[in-house]
Amino acid sequence: EPEVTQTPSHQVTQMGQEVILRCVPISNHLYFYWYRQILGQKVEFLVSFYNNEISEKSEIFDDQFSVERPDGSNFTLKIRSTKLEDSAMYFCASGEDGTEKLFFGSGTQLSVL
Amino acid sequence: GESVGLHLPTLSVQEGDNSIINCAYSNSASDYFIWYKQESGKGPQFIIDIRSNMDKRQGQRVTVLLNKTVKHLSLQIAATQPGDSAVYFCAENRSGGYQKVTFGIGTKLQVIP
Repeated sequence: EPEVTQTPSHQVTQMGQEVILRCVPISNHLYFYWYRQILGQKVEFLVSFYNNEISEKSEIFDDQFSVERPDGSNFTLKIRSTKLEDSAMYFCASGEDGTEKLFFGSGTQLSVL
Repeated sequence: GESVGLHLPTLSVQEGDNSIINCAYSNSASDYFIWYKQESGKGPQFIIDIRSNMDKRQGQRVTVLLNKTVKHLSLQIAATQPGDSAVYFCAENRSGGYQKVTFGIGTKLQVIP
């Protein structure tokens, strides 16, 4: 069964450093998402991406965040200058249709020290 | 603001019993609802969905009920098994090009062998 893959599974970084989280969505999907989950809390929407542009973003997704689909397979989330409060599990998801079910990756655990 | 939330944070059930997990939503514009299961260290996994033109939908051992009058959603798991132990999230979306699935807080289901 096709799946969304994310790398790395764990990322440790110093505050103020840039990080790039990588995702390979399911190949025939057209809609891509990033969500995050702080330990013990709910899954929070960050951004959706379709047709090479951001469709929607939350208030969490400020100027420090950016997304890119550099080629036909990868979808990345960049945090330019990480803060302690960026520590969370980041999930990538993809969907065939913008309103249908999403398929999630296993996540990247980001720890900002 | 509008949100999706859950009544019970933790539910313990005996193996073999039926489980009912409840969810309240407040966005009356939502017309698509999904239940996700999240096991420890993994991303959310789609279980079942329902559109607002339905009030019941059945899957394998799972049933989702939707009451639009009171904006209530429930997930019923028949003959609960130890493998059902996880956190369950309800999520909502609305059609019309809105690419943002909003998650509720989550209910932890503990199955007692």
